[in-house]
Amino acid sequence: AQTVTQSQPEMSVQEAETVTLSCTYDTSENNYYLFWYKQPPSRQMILVIRQEAYKQQNATENRFSVNFQKAAKSFSLKISDSQLGDTAMYFCAFMKGGKLIFGTGTRLQVFP
Amino acid sequence: DAGITQSPRHKVTETGTPVTLRCHQTENHRYMYWYRQDPGHGLRLIHYSYGVKDTDKGEVSDGYSVSRSKTEDFLLTLESATSSQTSVYFCAISEIIATYTGELFFGEGSRLTVL
Repeated sequence: AQTVTQSQPEMSVQEAETVTLSCTYDTSENNYYLFWYKQPPSRQMILVIRQEAYKQQNATENRFSVNFQKAAKSFSLKISDSQLGDTAMYFCAFMKGGKLIFGTGTRLQVFP
Repeated sequence: DAGITQSPRHKVTETGTPVTLRCHQTENHRYMYWYRQDPGHGLRLIHYSYGVKDTDKGEVSDGYSVSRSKTEDFLLTLESATSSQTSVYFCAISEIIATYTGELFFGEGSRLTVL
């Protein structure tokens, strides 16, 4: 069974700084998908970024980028130029065969 | 925004009563999911469906059943609610066609309290 581990329950960063959230996963599959979702206080789940395992190039989406290390089964999220609106829970997730499995989340607080 | 509607959005019930949560989509996506979210556990998959009448269990399926008689509706039933099922429930949809896998789009969540 696949598992997803987020070892940082809480993190904080000052506005305009850069922060990296960690995620590791365990799988024997070769082709799969990885996602980062954001959940602000509104409780809405919002897709931040996705990565296909067969692509070596790291995905980027504006201020958000990932460091995907397939051999190490690591998928970290870097947020550059942090903004107050980035304050939220961030969930790493693994998808294979139609099933999306989440990590336990990292609560990120951005301070002014 | 993806057309996903969950109902009810809030419900308080008593232990031992049956509860049904409904998820309705207007996107015609094949895959539908039910998750529960609890502090310290993130989102855990309860059941999912990959087509009409096609469902499968997730990580925490005990005490829950699902049904999907139409593409647009996915029902989650707690036959006899327990306090441990107090949670926020999220419905999600996705489309998977051949080698393409889309991301999940989520509903706004349903808060269930079992007294």
